Amino acid sequence: DTAVSQTPKYLVTQMGNDKSIKCEQNLGHDTMYWYKQDSKKFLKIMFSYNNKELIINETVPNRFSPKSPDKAHLNLHINSLELGDSAVYFCASTQRSWGETEAFFGQGTRLTVV
Amino acid sequence: DAKTTQPNSMESNEEEPVHLPCNHSTISGTDYIHWYRQLPSQGPEYVIHGLTSNVNNRMASLAIAEDRKSSTLILHRATLRDAAVYYCILRSSGANSKLTFGKGITLSVRP
Repeated sequence: DTAVSQTPKYLVTQMGNDKSIKCEQNLGHDTMYWYKQDSKKFLKIMFSYNNKELIINETVPNRFSPKSPDKAHLNLHINSLELGDSAVYFCASTQRSWGETEAFFGQGTRLTVV
Repeated sequence: DAKTTQPNSMESNEEEPVHLPCNHSTISGTDYIHWYRQLPSQGPEYVIHGLTSNVNNRMASLAIAEDRKSSTLILHRATLRDAAVYYCILRSSGANSKLTFGKGITLSVRP
């Protein structure tokens, strides 16, 4: 069983469209994250939820809206997609929101906006 | 979260030990030292973490300087599969702390 799974793995879409990426973890963790890895390979944290509550919200455009229906799921909805949104998006989870807990990452969703 | 400094890249020979250094001179007493790695086309993968004492696990060892201002990830016998970007990260023990990735060090392994 995959610990952290994301769907879809690849997503190609046109500018202006709205799309969603789903993430599920079966580890019973309390905290989930979205990271963005751009073409230069920098991994930047976007959001974090702890028990369905938003705890970290980096300077991300309002077009990005995370939703956590329960603590096992964290979805990312993106409105009005732009070329600059093209990147690999990684979901992750940790047991707790601090310190020594090990993070588990999904395999990533490669988003290409054309 | 405190920042870390790593060399950009390192080369190693297969089956030899590899020592990956990390400087974190502004580390605070509550920061944990984490190492992750990212293999090509995969998500980051946890390697090891520690606070003050040296740590060993099946993947690697972590040697932490006495003043905690630097640490070294040790891969005892590098394999081709260990070629990856290795990230040294500090994470606070405070609530809602971030796991912030830097540039990492790219490890190449020669057969």
